[in-house]
Amino acid sequence: DAMVIQNPRYQVTQFGKPVTLSCSQTLNHNVMYWYQQKSSQAPKLLFHYYDKDFNNEADTPDNFQSRRPNTSFCFLDIRSPGLGDAAMYLCATSRDLAGAASYEQYFGPGTRLTVT
Amino acid sequence: LAKTTQPISMDSYEGQEVNITCSHNNIATNDYITWYQQFPSQGPRFIIQGYKTKVTNEVASLFIPADRKSSTLSLPRVSLSDTAVYYCLVGEGKLIFGQGTTLQVKP
Repeated sequence: DAMVIQNPRYQVTQFGKPVTLSCSQTLNHNVMYWYQQKSSQAPKLLFHYYDKDFNNEADTPDNFQSRRPNTSFCFLDIRSPGLGDAAMYLCATSRDLAGAASYEQYFGPGTRLTVT
Repeated sequence: LAKTTQPISMDSYEGQEVNITCSHNNIATNDYITWYQQFPSQGPRFIIQGYKTKVTNEVASLFIPADRKSSTLSLPRVSLSDTAVYYCLVGEGKLIFGQGTTLQVKP
């Protein structure tokens, strides 16, 4: 019954070694989001896709990229992870971007990234 | 996006009603007020959403005064499992999380 699935749940990568985190959804929602959450902090929006339209937050580092090959899947690529990129990465979806339907976001369980 | 202010932490005991108030003085006409709950090592979970007056669901109630510059999340008869971080968000579209309120429920 999982609606937003993130794989893997735990990921260890080496400093500078590219890593990809994946997210899939069974809700057929138009919007998919990626958040970064560091320890004891609130989730921080990195970017989102509305259908195929990509929207980057102004302060998201260039090191972070995303791909959405189809409605169901979205990937987060970290090109050269640094120690400061260790965090929980959360994927979320919503039906729309405007109006009441936009506010109920469905979050996945997250992927905890460790950088060694 | 309207900025929100809520207490950093609150303590309660099992069986009590908990009210968490959020200030959002710059709320815009089109903005909705939404609350999320987050347990450790899990993604946030939608609790309730409202525009004005009072909204109630099976989990919580949301009280919004006429000026909409604040809102109060009410959790009836909390249990230990309600220990979590509660986020108040205001806006339209993408979510910008504030610091949240860490609720600790004690036996």
